[in-house]
Amino acid sequence: NAGVTQTPKFQVLKTGQSMTLQCAQDMNHNSMYWYRQDPGMGLRLIYYSASEGTTDKGEVPNGYNVSRLNKREFSLRLESAAPSQTSVYFCASSEIGRAYQPQHFGDGTRLSIL
Amino acid sequence: GIQVEQSPPDLILQEGANSTLRCNFSDSVNNLQWFHQNPWGQLINLFYIPSGTKQNGRLSATTVATERYSLLYISSSQTTDSGVYFCAVPKAGGTSYGKLTFGQGTILTVHP
Repeated sequence: NAGVTQTPKFQVLKTGQSMTLQCAQDMNHNSMYWYRQDPGMGLRLIYYSASEGTTDKGEVPNGYNVSRLNKREFSLRLESAAPSQTSVYFCASSEIGRAYQPQHFGDGTRLSIL
Repeated sequence: GIQVEQSPPDLILQEGANSTLRCNFSDSVNNLQWFHQNPWGQLINLFYIPSGTKQNGRLSATTVATERYSLLYISSSQTTDSGVYFCAVPKAGGTSYGKLTFGQGTILTVHP
């Protein structure tokens, strides 16, 4: 049982390049999330998908787009990468609609924009 | 939006010592979670603790929702406890279970 799988694990881009970060979960969860983690700032929610076919902005959505391809996959796209987007990106998934379901995180993608 | 503050920002312990980490939040919440990020960057759920006290081995957590804080206790610390501890609460709104706001974390270093 792989849980939440993110690809790639590391990536270096030049300013202005585009890239898609991939995330897939095998736990049959309805909800998926993208966070970024910067030094000293904890995790901040970029986008959120409550269920297949729906997406919603989080705290820091500017410069990003997402696609909920199907129930398993939720991708994050940087259309024109900027140095300010250098960060560690985490994907997570959970159930929703009940009192509480924990979020399960992938191992992260370390992205550097030069 | 809701503000989450954690203290202390850094904590250095000798193996075997006990410690208390604190999480303050600015508004009433119905969901508070503690996470551990290990030195390899992996994030692990520790507790879901909207109120009351829970224990899991050497770790326990208490949330006093009326006073808007939560405490994470680590007893007999081990080097494997090192890493960053985050608390997280949902953004305002009844359907916001998934939209978490994280604190900035407490960096714990346990020396052998």
